[in-house]
Order: sequence, then C-alpha cells, then structure tokens
Amino acid sequence: AQSVTQLDSQVPVFEEAPVELRCNYSSSVSVYLFWYVQYPNQGLQLLLKYLSGSTLVKGINGFEAEFNKSQTSFHLRKPSVHISDTAEYFCAVSDRAGGSYIPTFGRGTSLIVHP
Amino acid sequence: DTAVSQTPKYLVTQMGNDKSIKCEQNLGHDTMYWYKQDSKKFLKIMFSYNNKELIINETVPNRFSPKSPDKAHLNLHINSLELGDSAVYFCASSQGSSGAAEQFFGPGTRLTVL
Repeated sequence: AQSVTQLDSQVPVFEEAPVELRCNYSSSVSVYLFWYVQYPNQGLQLLLKYLSGSTLVKGINGFEAEFNKSQTSFHLRKPSVHISDTAEYFCAVSDRAGGSYIPTFGRGTSLIVHP
Repeated sequence: DTAVSQTPKYLVTQMGNDKSIKCEQNLGHDTMYWYKQDSKKFLKIMFSYNNKELIINETVPNRFSPKSPDKAHLNLHINSLELGDSAVYFCASSQGSSGAAEQFFGPGTRLTVL
C-alpha cells in the first residue's frame, strides 16, 4: 500500500527567502506524484505533477519539485516566497492498487510567510 | 463560471439526522470523487465514480451513500449522522481515472454535527 509522509507540519519563513517543503512516499509500483495548494477556506489547486520523464518539474507561481526515485522523495521548492504563498501544501501519490488508481494525500505542510 | 460547485457550503445538523451534499462539475470530466478533510487537515478519499460507475469505495461506513445521476453530478447522502462525521467534505473531478490526471476541487462543504 502506498503512503505519503510530509515531514514538516509547519514551515515558517520570511518573505523573499527560499523554501523547501519535503515529501517522501512509499509504493511498490510506479507512481504519479502531485503537489496541491489549499488557500484558506478553499478547495485544493494543482501546483505541479510528475508523471514521467524529466525529474525536475516546474509548476505555477514559481514552484518546482524534483523527483528522486532512489530516495523516494518529491520535495517542493521556491527560490523566493511571497506573503501570498501562505497556505497549506499537500503532496499526493497515485498508484494502481487492485485495478484502480487510489490517490493518497500527505497530512499537509502549513507554509507561513512572514513580512 | 465555477468549475466544481458544491451545495451547501455550510451544514449544521443534529446527531441522528440524514443529510445530503450535492456536487456538480461543468468541465466535461468523466470521473468524480468525494474526499473527507478532518480537523487536522488530513484529506482522505471516500469514493470515486467514472462514467457513473463506482470505482473506488474506501473503508467508509455504509451510512454514506454516493449517487451519480449523470457524469456531471455526484451527490453524497449521509444517514444517521454522528459527531465524528463533522469535517469538510470536498468534491473533485478529473478527466479519466488513470491516476495521472489533475483533480479539480470544489470549495468544500463544512459539516458540523451537534
């Protein structure tokens, strides 16, 4: 069975500083990997996804993530954050289990950007 | 235009009542989902339908019954509500159920059971 671990429940950072949100997964088969963002009182929006090919994936709002198969990681990075990036970030993995792709989400990382 | 909409946005009810949440998507997608997000923000899939056929049914009490009258709608009916059902319920949709597709989420329905 697949699982997703987001190592930090909360990451405080100052505006314009770089940030990395960590995500590790476990799965016995090939997976698809996603990062979603949830702003307060809203649904989730896709930031980026890795399906295959280049391990460095670029997404919206200046975010990028790197797939590392040997370390089973998919960390999210941004070189310079803005106040508006304050939100909850979810890493998700999808693999084929019993004939259907079951999406599994991590417990989320709260990114708090201070002025 | 809203892509994935849910009604109601807030739902406050007593234990033991029966309630429904409706979801509609206007993206032309063929796959829809229900998720439960608890007070600690943990998001867990409950059900998924592809072309009106149930394809994912996670370990959810049978008091929860999804219904998909057509590809654009997926409703969630909950019988005999319990305190532990209090959560935010999200509907989502995607094109295809291959697992590679982006999911589009609705704004959520905050259910409070008193």
